[in-house]
Amino acid sequence: GQQLNQSPQSMFIQEGEDVSMNCTSSSIFNTWLWYKQDPGEGPVLLIALYKAGELTSNGRLTAQFGITRKDSFLNISASIPSDVGIYFCAGRSGGSYIPTFGRGTSLIVHP
Amino acid sequence: DVKVTQSSRYLVKRTGEKVFLECVQDMDHENMFWYRQDPGLGLRLIYFSYDVKMKEKGDIPEGYSVSREKKERFSLILESASTNQTSMYLCASSNREMNTEAFFGQGTRLTVV
Repeated sequence: GQQLNQSPQSMFIQEGEDVSMNCTSSSIFNTWLWYKQDPGEGPVLLIALYKAGELTSNGRLTAQFGITRKDSFLNISASIPSDVGIYFCAGRSGGSYIPTFGRGTSLIVHP
Repeated sequence: DVKVTQSSRYLVKRTGEKVFLECVQDMDHENMFWYRQDPGLGLRLIYFSYDVKMKEKGDIPEGYSVSREKKERFSLILESASTNQTSMYLCASSNREMNTEAFFGQGTRLTVV
């Protein structure tokens, strides 16, 4: 099965900094998803993107569906300690119910 | 509030034991999934079910089987647990509508000794 290339693998930042992470694929996806996993919990959906070029915000989070359909980006502005966790991108191809996940970006925010 | 519930948060089993991981969803979703999460490897699909009694293999089905006798319940079975099956197991469900996405349970951390 295909895995997405998600980077960076981990980030250590100071509170208040902005964060950027991205995901690339060799295949085209019709849907891009971003999930956050808090320590010891299951992933929770943050943002879903359904159109190429789409830019969607959820509070301090902004995600974009790349024009080529092969990439997506997630930005977090003014990070706070509760942003700590693992962020996963996922993509779905046309007609598939099954999301394929990236390997995750582990975010640590220092107060 | 939507819910996917996994029967155990933590399990410790012995090598060779038969292990059942249970997952129940209350959203009347058609699709259910079992993923395995390992550090640095992300979430890998073990099995997928799109209806009662229907199942499809994911990327890493070896050593696992599944059962879906009722719509709300999807069980993952380790026929003979091995130490390399020590991992975090995540169950998820989704609707058949294409713009509804997977909801995850809280995970079961399985240790095989």
